[in-house]
Amino acid sequence: AQSVTQLDSQVPVFEEAPVELRCNYSSSVSVYLFWYVQYPNQGLQLLLKYLSGSTLVKGINGFEAEFNKSQTSFHLRKPSVHISDTAEYFCAVSGPGAAGNKLTFGGGTRVLVKP
Amino acid sequence: NAGVTQTPKFQVLKTGQSMTLQCAQDMNHEYMSWYRQDPGMGLRLIHYSVGAGITDQGEVPNGYNVSRSTTEDFPLRLLSAAPSQTSVYFCASREDRMNTEAFFGQGTRLTVV
Repeated sequence: AQSVTQLDSQVPVFEEAPVELRCNYSSSVSVYLFWYVQYPNQGLQLLLKYLSGSTLVKGINGFEAEFNKSQTSFHLRKPSVHISDTAEYFCAVSGPGAAGNKLTFGGGTRVLVKP
Repeated sequence: NAGVTQTPKFQVLKTGQSMTLQCAQDMNHEYMSWYRQDPGMGLRLIHYSVGAGITDQGEVPNGYNVSRSTTEDFPLRLLSAAPSQTSVYFCASREDRMNTEAFFGQGTRLTVV
């Protein structure tokens, strides 16, 4: 079985400040890792994904994430946030299991960017 | 390219009523799934399908039915709505490989009174 824990349910941050969203996962097999963003009243869209290779992954809108296998973490960062980054962010893992190629989501982190 | 289309966007039901949430995708994806989103709980898998004619239960299947008669469509049926089913529902599709992203619809906000 695989699971995802997002350690912060809400993160307030001032505009132009850096932000880090923490994600830890557990799985008995190799998995693929994703970050999705959900803007208000919209569906989820992909920010970035880690499949293999370099542990630092760059995504859209200036976001990046670092995969750390020993700590089973996949933290998301942005060096300078904008008001438009206000959204909910979901970490997800994909791997084999009883439910096929299942995508398991964390509980989400709501980011509120203040002027 | 429309992607994943969900209808309706909003719905209010009375307890005990039934309804069907529609989901269609035009990307020829084998894998489709339904999630519900509740505050602080992320997205929980209700049902999924790995191809036409094949469906299976996810984490929270009780009170919901699905069918997959075509590759494109994956409707979700609420058999007898309960207030606990008040939620936002998302349909998603992806290729049936672990390293691919899922594409989501815009969601259906359902309130059961």
